[in-house]
Amino acid sequence: AQSVAQPEDQVNVAEGNPLTVKCTYSVSGNPYLFWYVQYPNRGLQFLLKYITGDNLVKGSYGFEAEFNKSQTSFHLKKPSALVSDSALYFCAVRDPFYGNNRLAFGKGNQVVVIP
Amino acid sequence: GAGVSQSPSNKVTEKGKDVELRCDPISGHTALYWYRQRLGQGLEFLIYFQGNSAPDKSGLPSDRFSAERTGESVSTLTIQRTQQEDSAVYLCASGLGTSGGAEETQYFGPGTRLLVL
Repeated sequence: AQSVAQPEDQVNVAEGNPLTVKCTYSVSGNPYLFWYVQYPNRGLQFLLKYITGDNLVKGSYGFEAEFNKSQTSFHLKKPSALVSDSALYFCAVRDPFYGNNRLAFGKGNQVVVIP
Repeated sequence: GAGVSQSPSNKVTEKGKDVELRCDPISGHTALYWYRQRLGQGLEFLIYFQGNSAPDKSGLPSDRFSAERTGESVSTLTIQRTQQEDSAVYLCASGLGTSGGAEETQYFGPGTRLLVL
């Protein structure tokens, strides 16, 4: 079955510095990968997804993610973090091999951007 | 346009009571999903609807949990005889449900925060 690992519980970064949130995945076939962000007391907001094509995917709010098949990773990046980027970030994967539409989520990473 | 809405936003109930949680998907979205988010954990899949049928209900944790969808729109998640371990945020998501649906993006509502005392 598909699964996602987000190895860090919290990521602290100074405002203006590059932000990276790590994600590795496990699937049987080719993965469909997603990043979502959750602000306090709100639902998940879609940031970006990788389906096929270019390994570098650009999304909302200046975020991007790079699909690396050999390392089974899909790390989220932002060149210059803002205080407003402080939130909970979830990586998710769907494995089309299983023919279902469910998403498997990681446990999430709390990002804290320090002014 | 309007996003996914859920009600109530918060629900406090006593152990043993039944609760109903409601989800209104984005208009025109035929796919609807329910997830559970326990404190400090990722999202746990519960059930998936395509139209009014549920081809995948394998995530429902026990027979106390059930869900239905009518008119290819509103869905209700019912938890009978609630237990303290049912306390969580219940999130609903919807998607276009087009063929090749594995590629589709799921759009989430704000969730219902359930507390069982």
